[in-house]
Amino acid sequence: AQKVTQAQTEISVVEKEDVTLDCVYETRDTTYYLFWYKQPPSGELVFLIRRNSFDEQNEISGRYSWNFQKSTSSFNFTITASQVVDSAVYFCAWAGGYQKVTFGTGTKLQVIP
Amino acid sequence: NAGVTQTPKFQVLKTGQSMTLQCAQDMNHEYMSWYRQDPGMGLRLIHYSVGAGITDQGEVPNGYNVSRSTTEDFPLRLLSAAPSQTSVYFCASSPRGPTDTQYFGPGTRLTVL
Repeated sequence: AQKVTQAQTEISVVEKEDVTLDCVYETRDTTYYLFWYKQPPSGELVFLIRRNSFDEQNEISGRYSWNFQKSTSSFNFTITASQVVDSAVYFCAWAGGYQKVTFGTGTKLQVIP
Repeated sequence: NAGVTQTPKFQVLKTGQSMTLQCAQDMNHEYMSWYRQDPGMGLRLIHYSVGAGITDQGEVPNGYNVSRSTTEDFPLRLLSAAPSQTSVYFCASSPRGPTDTQYFGPGTRLTVL
Protein backbone atom coordinates (compact mmCIF):
# COMPACT_ATOMS: atom_id res chain seq x y z
CA ALA A 1 0.00 0.00 0.00
CA GLN A 2 1.10 3.54 -0.64
CA LYS A 3 2.32 5.49 2.33
CA VAL A 4 3.51 9.05 2.82
CA THR A 5 5.54 9.90 5.91
CA GLN A 6 6.18 13.38 7.19
CA ALA A 7 8.21 12.63 10.27
CA GLN A 8 8.48 16.25 11.40
CA THR A 9 5.29 17.03 13.29
CA GLU A 10 6.20 20.61 14.20
CA ILE A 11 9.13 22.85 13.32
CA SER A 12 9.94 26.29 14.68
CA VAL A 13 12.43 28.59 13.02
CA VAL A 14 13.37 32.21 13.42
CA GLU A 15 12.50 34.48 10.54
CA LYS A 16 15.06 34.50 7.72
CA GLU A 17 16.30 31.02 8.55
CA ASP A 18 16.13 28.32 5.89
CA VAL A 19 13.98 25.30 6.68
CA THR A 20 13.50 21.92 5.00
CA LEU A 21 10.34 19.88 5.33
CA ASP A 22 10.84 16.18 4.75
CA CYS A 23 8.56 13.84 2.83
CA VAL A 24 9.23 10.15 2.30
CA TYR A 25 6.90 7.90 0.36
CA GLU A 26 6.50 4.18 -0.21
CA THR A 27 5.23 2.75 -3.46
CA ARG A 28 5.80 -0.08 -5.90
CA ASP A 29 4.38 1.93 -8.79
CA THR A 30 6.71 3.28 -11.46
CA THR A 31 4.33 6.05 -12.51
CA TYR A 32 3.01 8.38 -9.85
CA TYR A 33 2.72 12.01 -8.86
CA LEU A 34 3.82 13.88 -5.77
CA PHE A 35 2.35 17.07 -4.39
CA TRP A 36 2.82 19.67 -1.72
CA TYR A 37 -0.06 21.69 -0.28
CA LYS A 38 -0.03 24.52 2.22
CA GLN A 39 -2.70 25.09 4.87
CA PRO A 40 -2.31 28.53 6.48
CA PRO A 41 -4.02 29.34 9.78
CA SER A 42 -7.11 30.48 7.87
CA GLY A 43 -7.69 26.81 7.02
CA GLU A 44 -7.85 26.61 3.24
CA LEU A 45 -5.66 24.19 1.32
CA VAL A 46 -3.40 25.77 -1.27
CA PHE A 47 -1.62 23.84 -4.00
CA LEU A 48 2.15 24.41 -4.21
CA ILE A 49 3.65 21.88 -6.59
CA ARG A 50 3.01 18.70 -8.59
CA ARG A 51 5.76 16.46 -9.92
CA ASN A 52 5.61 13.20 -11.83
CA SER A 53 7.86 10.25 -11.11
CA PHE A 54 9.80 10.66 -14.35
CA ASP A 55 10.90 14.19 -13.64
CA GLU A 56 13.64 14.30 -11.03
CA GLN A 57 14.72 17.83 -11.78
CA ASN A 58 14.72 20.08 -8.77
CA GLU A 59 12.22 22.90 -8.86
CA ILE A 60 12.69 26.43 -7.62
CA SER A 61 9.95 28.99 -7.29
CA GLY A 62 11.05 32.14 -5.54
CA ARG A 63 12.00 31.22 -1.98
CA TYR A 64 10.58 27.71 -2.39
CA SER A 65 12.49 24.76 -3.76
CA TRP A 66 11.81 21.06 -4.02
CA ASN A 67 14.24 18.17 -4.14
CA PHE A 68 12.88 14.94 -5.61
CA GLN A 69 15.08 11.86 -5.22
CA LYS A 70 13.67 8.53 -6.39
CA SER A 71 16.68 6.68 -4.99
CA THR A 72 15.63 7.63 -1.47
CA SER A 73 11.87 7.96 -2.20
CA SER A 74 11.92 11.50 -0.93
CA PHE A 75 10.36 14.76 -2.05
CA ASN A 76 11.64 17.42 0.31
CA PHE A 77 10.58 21.06 0.42
CA THR A 78 12.90 23.91 1.37
CA ILE A 79 11.91 27.44 2.22
CA THR A 80 14.78 29.90 1.98
CA ALA A 81 14.82 32.99 4.16
CA SER A 82 11.58 32.05 5.90
CA GLN A 83 8.95 34.68 6.64
CA VAL A 84 6.13 34.84 9.15
CA VAL A 85 3.65 34.34 6.29
CA ASP A 86 5.17 30.91 5.72
CA SER A 87 3.71 29.75 9.04
CA ALA A 88 1.30 26.99 8.10
CA VAL A 89 0.76 23.26 7.99
CA TYR A 90 2.36 21.70 4.94
CA PHE A 91 1.12 18.43 3.47
CA CYS A 92 2.91 16.11 1.10
CA ALA A 93 0.75 13.79 -1.00
CA TRP A 94 1.12 10.85 -3.41
CA ALA A 95 -1.20 9.81 -6.24
CA GLY A 96 -0.93 6.94 -8.67
CA GLY A 97 -3.22 4.70 -10.64
CA TYR A 98 -5.59 3.74 -7.86
CA GLN A 99 -7.98 6.70 -8.09
CA LYS A 100 -6.94 7.84 -4.63
CA VAL A 101 -4.62 10.40 -3.12
CA THR A 102 -2.60 9.54 -0.03
CA PHE A 103 -1.66 12.46 2.19
CA GLY A 104 1.00 12.64 4.84
CA THR A 105 0.06 13.74 8.32
CA GLY A 106 1.47 17.23 7.77
CA THR A 107 4.25 19.35 9.24
CA LYS A 108 3.33 22.45 11.18
CA LEU A 109 5.83 25.22 10.55
CA GLN A 110 6.02 28.18 12.88
CA VAL A 111 8.18 31.10 11.81
CA ILE A 112 9.02 33.32 14.74
CA PRO A 113 9.61 37.01 14.04
CA ASN B 1 -15.75 31.15 -11.51
CA ALA B 2 -16.37 30.18 -7.88
CA GLY B 3 -14.17 27.06 -7.89
CA VAL B 4 -15.19 24.57 -5.21
CA THR B 5 -17.84 25.68 -2.76
CA GLN B 6 -18.96 23.97 0.42
CA THR B 7 -21.90 24.61 2.69
CA PRO B 8 -22.31 25.05 5.56
CA LYS B 9 -19.06 26.43 6.97
CA PHE B 10 -19.95 25.36 10.52
CA GLN B 11 -22.44 22.86 11.85
CA VAL B 12 -23.29 21.44 15.27
CA LEU B 13 -25.27 18.22 15.43
CA LYS B 14 -26.56 16.01 18.19
CA THR B 15 -25.69 12.33 18.20
CA GLY B 16 -28.02 10.42 15.92
CA GLN B 17 -29.00 13.36 13.71
CA SER B 18 -28.45 13.19 10.00
CA MET B 19 -27.32 15.90 7.66
CA THR B 20 -25.85 16.56 4.24
CA LEU B 21 -22.69 18.51 3.54
CA GLN B 22 -22.94 20.19 0.18
CA CYS B 23 -20.12 20.46 -2.35
CA ALA B 24 -20.25 22.00 -5.79
CA GLN B 25 -17.70 22.91 -8.44
CA ASP B 26 -18.07 24.95 -11.58
CA MET B 27 -14.90 23.86 -13.37
CA ASN B 28 -16.42 20.83 -15.14
CA HIS B 29 -14.08 18.53 -13.25
CA GLU B 30 -14.69 14.81 -13.49
CA TYR B 31 -13.02 13.77 -10.23
CA MET B 32 -14.38 14.81 -6.85
CA SER B 33 -13.57 13.64 -3.38
CA TRP B 34 -14.32 14.13 0.31
CA TYR B 35 -11.70 14.20 3.04
CA ARG B 36 -11.81 14.59 6.75
CA GLN B 37 -9.04 16.30 8.66
CA ASP B 38 -8.34 15.38 12.26
CA PRO B 39 -5.45 16.59 14.42
CA GLY B 40 -2.30 14.57 13.79
CA MET B 41 -3.91 12.44 11.09
CA GLY B 42 -3.65 14.58 8.01
CA LEU B 43 -6.32 14.29 5.35
CA ARG B 44 -8.12 10.99 5.05
CA LEU B 45 -10.21 10.08 2.04
CA ILE B 46 -13.86 9.29 2.77
CA HIS B 47 -15.39 8.79 -0.69
CA TYR B 48 -14.55 9.78 -4.21
CA SER B 49 -16.15 9.95 -7.63
CA VAL B 50 -14.59 9.65 -11.07
CA GLY B 51 -17.65 11.04 -12.83
CA ALA B 52 -21.41 11.45 -12.64
CA GLY B 53 -23.05 8.24 -11.46
CA ILE B 54 -19.79 6.67 -10.26
CA THR B 55 -18.65 6.69 -6.65
CA ASP B 56 -16.35 4.56 -4.55
CA GLN B 57 -15.12 4.25 -1.00
CA GLY B 58 -11.97 5.75 0.36
CA GLU B 59 -10.04 5.03 3.50
CA VAL B 60 -12.72 5.91 6.09
CA PRO B 61 -16.18 5.49 4.49
CA ASN B 62 -18.16 4.10 7.42
CA GLY B 63 -21.03 6.32 8.49
CA TYR B 64 -21.05 8.36 5.27
CA ASN B 65 -22.90 8.12 1.99
CA VAL B 66 -22.36 9.93 -1.28
CA SER B 67 -23.98 10.23 -4.66
CA ARG B 68 -23.03 12.01 -7.86
CA SER B 69 -26.05 12.74 -10.00
CA THR B 70 -24.40 15.64 -11.82
CA THR B 71 -20.84 16.60 -12.68
CA GLU B 72 -21.10 19.70 -10.51
CA ASP B 73 -22.41 18.34 -7.20
CA PHE B 74 -21.06 15.79 -4.76
CA PRO B 75 -22.96 15.84 -1.44
CA LEU B 76 -21.78 13.92 1.60
CA ARG B 77 -24.47 12.49 3.86
CA LEU B 78 -24.01 11.60 7.50
CA LEU B 79 -26.63 8.98 8.24
CA SER B 80 -26.58 9.01 12.05
CA ALA B 81 -23.99 11.41 13.43
CA ALA B 82 -21.58 10.21 16.09
CA PRO B 83 -19.07 12.19 18.18
CA SER B 84 -16.27 10.39 16.28
CA GLN B 85 -17.40 12.28 13.18
CA THR B 86 -16.45 15.61 14.72
CA SER B 87 -13.92 16.89 12.21
CA VAL B 88 -13.20 19.36 9.45
CA TYR B 89 -14.47 18.15 6.10
CA PHE B 90 -12.95 19.17 2.78
CA CYS B 91 -14.32 18.60 -0.67
CA ALA B 92 -11.93 18.63 -3.61
CA SER B 93 -12.11 18.35 -7.37
CA SER B 94 -9.64 17.80 -10.19
CA PRO B 95 -10.01 17.71 -13.96
CA ARG B 96 -9.65 13.99 -14.62
CA GLY B 97 -8.35 12.10 -11.62
CA PRO B 98 -6.28 12.07 -8.46
CA THR B 99 -3.00 12.59 -10.33
CA ASP B 100 -4.18 16.04 -11.37
CA THR B 101 -3.94 18.98 -9.01
CA GLN B 102 -6.74 18.93 -6.45
CA TYR B 103 -8.74 22.11 -5.89
CA PHE B 104 -10.15 22.26 -2.39
CA GLY B 105 -13.23 23.88 -0.97
CA PRO B 106 -13.00 26.07 2.14
CA GLY B 107 -14.03 23.26 4.47
CA THR B 108 -16.90 22.53 6.87
CA ARG B 109 -16.24 22.34 10.59
CA LEU B 110 -18.62 19.78 12.09
CA THR B 111 -19.14 19.17 15.78
CA VAL B 112 -21.23 16.25 16.99
CA LEU B 113 -22.35 16.46 20.59
